[in-house]
Amino acid sequence: NAGVMQNPRHLVRRRGQEARLRCSPMKGHSHVYWYRQLPEEGLKFMVYLQKENIIDESGMPKERFSAEFPKEGPSILRIQQVVRGDSAAYFCASSPPKSTDTQYFGPGTRLTVL
Amino acid sequence: KQEVTQIPAALSVPEGENLVLNCSFTDSAIYNLQWFRQDPGKGLTSLLLIQSSQREQTSGRLNASLDKSSGRSTLYIAASQPGDSATYLCAVENHNRKLIWGLGTSLAVNP
Repeated sequence: NAGVMQNPRHLVRRRGQEARLRCSPMKGHSHVYWYRQLPEEGLKFMVYLQKENIIDESGMPKERFSAEFPKEGPSILRIQQVVRGDSAAYFCASSPPKSTDTQYFGPGTRLTVL
Repeated sequence: KQEVTQIPAALSVPEGENLVLNCSFTDSAIYNLQWFRQDPGKGLTSLLLIQSSQREQTSGRLNASLDKSSGRSTLYIAASQPGDSATYLCAVENHNRKLIWGLGTSLAVNP
């Protein structure tokens, strides 16, 4: 059973471009979480999704950021019109439907905005 | 609002020492608490998970304790090795399934 997969591992974008980060959860996991780690800061929760539903997006910036987890395919974190302050490591985690199970983390995507 | 604090922020010890990392949280209504390891520029490795009903968990040279009522957890590392050098992160999970993270303790174990 492969772990949580994230791609790309490293992404470089120029200011104003769009960034798309992908997360494939572990097999059998229907819950996905995105966290952001800004340089010299702690990890912060962004969004919690189940298949085709956003459960909690209280940590998402109000503008330019969106997330989805379609019925088929990976979860996507999309950042439109990136700015230098978006440079960070973005981690995805997944968990099974059972609420007592922990979240399993992917290796992260490191986004650099030039 | 849940807040997680880790002390110390950085620690440097000679090889072989036993050491304790501290984590405190403000809201005791947690679902579980987890300790992670992060190497520079790398991902997150889960070390130990303590459910809210548990008092401690052990894995090899690592032992984590949880005192929910006082809002504290400790990670004990026995006989430290240079390979233990990393940042250690504490995270609490509330019942809404969000993980709230501390800023970490940066550990250097010197040969």
